[in-house]
Amino acid sequence: EPEVTQTPSHQVTQMGQEVILRCVPISNHLYFYWYRQILGQKVEFLVSFYNNEISEKSEIFDDQFSVERPDGSNFTLKIRSTKLEDSAMYFCASGSRDRGEQFFGPGTRLTVL
Amino acid sequence: EDQVTQSPEALRLQEGESSSLNCSYTVSGLRGLFWYRQDPGKGPEFLFTLYSAGEEKEKERLKATLTKKESFLHITAPKPEDSATYLCAVPISGGYNKLIFGAGTRLAVHP
Repeated sequence: EPEVTQTPSHQVTQMGQEVILRCVPISNHLYFYWYRQILGQKVEFLVSFYNNEISEKSEIFDDQFSVERPDGSNFTLKIRSTKLEDSAMYFCASGSRDRGEQFFGPGTRLTVL
Repeated sequence: EDQVTQSPEALRLQEGESSSLNCSYTVSGLRGLFWYRQDPGKGPEFLFTLYSAGEEKEKERLKATLTKKESFLHITAPKPEDSATYLCAVPISGGYNKLIFGAGTRLAVHP
């Protein structure tokens, strides 16, 4: 069964460093998302991406964040200068249709020291 | 303000003891409600989509139902492998695909 994959599974970085989280969405999907979950808290929306552009973003998704679909298979989230409060699980999701189901990857645990 | 509230926060059941989880929402113009299962340290796993009041979906021991203000996830004769956190999510009012999630119900099923 097709699934969303994410790499790395765990990333440790120093405050102020740049990180890139990578995702391979399900191959025929057109809608791509990033969410995050701080330990013990709710899953929070960050950004949605369709037709090579951002369609929605949350207040969390400030200038330090960016997304890219560099080729036909990968979808990346970049955090330019990490802060301690960026420590969380980051989930990529994809969907095949507007307002349809979103299928989540296993997540990348980001730890900022 | 759009909101999703789940209850109870935690539920402990004996194997075979059926129960229901609740998800109440305040969004205008509901455009779908999604149920997910999340195991510790893993991503949410899609279970069901419900679009209109009165709709029901079933999968193995799980059945999801929807009214105009809430959804229920009924678990019939649960097994220990059903232990997980169950999340519900809805798209925000006026948005496209931005989901807001409830805090989840942590279900523990004991043999």
